[in-house]
Amino acid sequence: NAGVTQTPKFQVLKTGQSMTLQCAQDMNHNSMYWYRQDPGMGLRLIYYSASEGTTDKGEVPNGYNVSRLNKREFSLRLESAAPSQTSVYFCASSPKEGTEAFFGQGTRLTVV
Amino acid sequence: GESVGLHLPTLSVQEGDNSIINCAYSNSASDYFIWYKQESGKGPQFIIDIRSNMDKRQGQRVTVLLNKTVKHLSLQIAATQPGDSAVYFCAEIASGGTSYGKLTFGQGTILTVHP
Repeated sequence: NAGVTQTPKFQVLKTGQSMTLQCAQDMNHNSMYWYRQDPGMGLRLIYYSASEGTTDKGEVPNGYNVSRLNKREFSLRLESAAPSQTSVYFCASSPKEGTEAFFGQGTRLTVV
Repeated sequence: GESVGLHLPTLSVQEGDNSIINCAYSNSASDYFIWYKQESGKGPQFIIDIRSNMDKRQGQRVTVLLNKTVKHLSLQIAATQPGDSAVYFCAEIASGGTSYGKLTFGQGTILTVHP
């Protein structure tokens, strides 16, 4: 049982480049989330998907887009990367909204 | 916006001591609280949770206390071990409002256990 799997684990981008962070869960969870973690800031919610077919903005959505491809997969896209998006990105899933979330191992993204 | 915060950013203890990590929350609509442990290079891992209709919950070596009157949450770790060294986050989930259903995290406390 892999839980929540994120790819890639590490990525370096140049300013203006685009990329997609992939996330998949095998726990048949309905809700999925993307967080970013910066030093001293804790984890902040970027976007979430309460259930398949729905997505909503979190606390810090600017510069990002998401796609809930199916129940298992929830991707995060940076259309034009900026140095301010240098961070560690975590994907999480939960059985439904308002329940415990399970996290992936994270993607460490550096934008230069 | 409302947030969850921690009183102490770092805590150093000796192996075998008991550790107490504190957390203050401000969203009165929050009714579910979770403590997560995050080791270096890994994602947050669930430790223990508590709902607002309880004031205490115990797990294996861990106890969470909730004081709704003063909006305070604490995590107690008994007989702390070097493997407990990590960053600990409290998180809350609101039952209503704009934060409904989503985890809001505090900044975290770094726990260091010395052998």
